[in-house]
Formats: sequence, structure tokens, C-alpha cells
Amino acid sequence: DAGVTQSPTHLIKTRGQQVTLRCSPISGHKSVSWYQQVLGQGPQFIFQYYEKEERGRGNFPDRFSARQFPNYSSELNVNALLLGDSALYLCASSSPGAGTGARYFGPGTRLLVL
Amino acid sequence: AQRVTQPEKLLSVFKGAPVELKCNYSYSGSPELFWYVQYSRQRLQLLLRHISRESIKGFTADLNKGETSFHLKKPFAQEEDSAMYYCALSGPGGYNKLIFGAGTRLAVHP
Repeated sequence: DAGVTQSPTHLIKTRGQQVTLRCSPISGHKSVSWYQQVLGQGPQFIFQYYEKEERGRGNFPDRFSARQFPNYSSELNVNALLLGDSALYLCASSSPGAGTGARYFGPGTRLLVL
Repeated sequence: AQRVTQPEKLLSVFKGAPVELKCNYSYSGSPELFWYVQYSRQRLQLLLRHISRESIKGFTADLNKGETSFHLKKPFAQEEDSAMYYCALSGPGGYNKLIFGAGTRLAVHP
């Protein structure tokens, strides 16, 4: 198993543009969550999806949205990009109810907004 | 408020010295506690989870509910332990968000 995969690995956008980030979970994992990691800080929770339904949302503006597909992959969309959106975006997959809430992270997508 | 505090940004030790990375948390209820590690140019990896009470790469962590702490310890540090370490918590069962501390960089010198 390749683990959690994310695409693209790097992205450069300008202010006001829109971006879509993609994530494929570990096979058998039905939950995907998204985190933003700004340089020098720990990851901050954005969204969690389980069985294609939103199960949690962090303190992020409505410019951020996400969805989960029938194959459990997920997309994170960010509209009207701001300079402050520059960060590493991490996707994690997990198997809730399997005895532990351990999340397994992908390599991340590094977004630079100019 | 739910919060994880890692008071040290950097911990610098020599090879063979004991290591303790501190983590304190604030959570009403029974959280799950985790340690994640990020080696240079690698993804964030799960190191330990408190419910497993396991030792991974010589590291252990004990949950102290009275002191609301989950410190990470290793008796003899190795150079390959140099990395960024994050303490994190979530509600039980994996249905809740994971809350991270700011991280501690461990530097082990030869």
C-alpha cells in the first residue's frame, strides 16, 4: 500500500485565484481529514469527512470547502486565495471506530500564493 | 478549551543522553493522545498512541491524567532521532479533529 497520496506536490497561485487539492486515503480507510500547516506551527484542522459526510469543520472561512467521493478520495477547494493561505496542506486518513483514532498523513501539497 | 502545549521549540542533546519532550494538554473528557514525528524531507508519521502503551524506536510516553501530561521519553538519544516531534490529541474513536501542539525540534549531536 502506498499510503495516503496527495496531488499536486507543489502549487503556485496568485491572490484571488482558486485551487483544488486532491487526496487518496489508505485502502479501507473511510475517513479523510484536512489540515493546514503554516511554517513554524503545528497542523491546524480544516475538515473531516467520514462516509462522504462532513463530520467536522475547523475555524476556517467559507472560502475553504471540501468533499469526499464514493471511493473515499477527497478534494479541498480554496477560493479567492490570500497571501496567508500559503502553507503545507496535509491530508490524513483513518478508520474511525477501529479501536484507535490514529490518523495517517500524506506528504502534503505545498501551496504558495503570490 | 481544547489545547496542546509543547513548551520547548528546540531541545538539543548529545548522543547517549536521556531525552524528554514535554506535552501538556487541556481537554474535558477522555482524549486519545498521540506523538507524531517528522524526519527531514519525510511525511508526518505516527510514533506512539497512549492506548497502545507501546515502545517505538526506544521511545515511551505515559499519560498522566492528574498532571494532564503526555511526555515523550527515551533513555539514550541517537543521532537518527533528530526530527520534529508533535504531540496531538483527539476525542475518542477517531470521529473528532486532531489538535496539535506547536512541535519541538529535537537535535541530537554526536
